[in-house]
Amino acid sequence: EAGVAQSPRYKIIEKRQSVAFWCNPISGHATLYWYQQILGQGPKLLIQFQNNGVVDDSQLPKDRFSAERLKGVDSTLKIQPAKLEDSAVYLCASSLAFGQGAGYNEQFFGPGTRLTVL
Amino acid sequence: AQKITQTQPGMFVQEKEAVTLDCTYDTSDPSYGLFWYKQPSSGEMIFLIYQGSYDQQNATEGRYSLNFQKARKSANLVISASQLGDSAMYFCLISNFGNEKLTFGTGTRLTIIP
Repeated sequence: EAGVAQSPRYKIIEKRQSVAFWCNPISGHATLYWYQQILGQGPKLLIQFQNNGVVDDSQLPKDRFSAERLKGVDSTLKIQPAKLEDSAVYLCASSLAFGQGAGYNEQFFGPGTRLTVL
Repeated sequence: AQKITQTQPGMFVQEKEAVTLDCTYDTSDPSYGLFWYKQPSSGEMIFLIYQGSYDQQNATEGRYSLNFQKARKSANLVISASQLGDSAMYFCLISNFGNEKLTFGTGTRLTIIP
């Protein structure tokens, strides 16, 4: 079974530029998560989708961050314009929806995208 | 609101000894799940173990076990017979079943000494 795919793995941009990250979840997983992990901290949930609907985006800085999951499969996270404090690893994860399988939503994580904003 | 607290930023343990990583939580949802993930220096997040709030027995997965004390709201991870490959960051995570809110703790960096 293929895991969660993310690209690019690394990205370096200057502040005020735009950047986009892509995530392809495990086939059949209805729920998709984007996390921001700043160095030395735990991951912070940015947005959670179930199929193509948003479940939780309360911690997404909506003035500069946007995310979409148009067909309920892969997803894109965009930052426009980037700030120095956006330097972090952006993790994508997917899980079965509640009641769809094991009864709990074990998340499977991708390798992450390491963003450096100069 | 929900909160996860991991009070040990770093731990050093001798190889082959057992180690306990602390996790306390606070939630108003009666139904929730607690997870532990391992993050090696390579960066990937690896699922270790799960405990549901209504599970009567403590979860075990190989060398990993979860010391779940619901009244104290603690879910400590116990690793038996530690190995050098256990050196990593360890995160505790709570997931509320009611609203599916997820919160990670700040993590504990475990270093196994040969």
